[in-house]
Amino acid sequence: NAGVTQTPKFQVLKTGQSMTLQCAQDMNHNSMYWYRQDPGMGLRLIYYSASEGTTDKGEVPNGYNVSRLNKREFSLRLESAAPSQTSVYFCASSMTWAEEQYFGPGTRLTVT
Amino acid sequence: QQQVKQSPQSLIVQKGGISIINCAYENTAFDYFPWYQQFPGKGPALLIAIRPDVSEKKEGRFTISFNKSAKQFSLHIMDSQPGDSATYFCAASMSGQNFVFGPGTRLSVLP
Repeated sequence: NAGVTQTPKFQVLKTGQSMTLQCAQDMNHNSMYWYRQDPGMGLRLIYYSASEGTTDKGEVPNGYNVSRLNKREFSLRLESAAPSQTSVYFCASSMTWAEEQYFGPGTRLTVT
Repeated sequence: QQQVKQSPQSLIVQKGGISIINCAYENTAFDYFPWYQQFPGKGPALLIAIRPDVSEKKEGRFTISFNKSAKQFSLHIMDSQPGDSATYFCAASMSGQNFVFGPGTRLSVLP
């Protein structure tokens, strides 16, 4: 079991560029989440998918879109990257919504 | 009301000492309180969790103490080791709602 995997591990973008962060889980979990982590601010929820076929906004959704491609995969898209989106992004999954969450290794994104 | 406050921001402890991290919440509807441990360059991992029907939960050297009336809970790490050096996050949630995370505590255990 790989658990939760994320690609890429590192990315540097220029302002205005777009990219998609990929996440996959092999634990047959129903719920998946995208967080961003900034120094001194803990983990802030961007979007989540409580079950396959549904997605909802979290605390900080502006500038992002998500797609729950299937039960395993949940992607996060930045349409026009901004320096304020420089952060470490974590994907997580849980068997059911708001139960124990398992995190991926993260993607460190820098927007210049 | 959805905030979880965490202190201290950073903590330095000698090897063998006790590390204590505190969290406080406002929303009395929260019913699940996990602690996550994160090593540099890694994702957070669940360390220990408690529900409000008990006042204490112990797993090895890690103990959660829960004070429902004060709306506070804390993590105690006994016999702290250099390998415990990490960032610790408390969180709170309730049925049907997402987790709310504290800002984190960076623990350094000196050899």
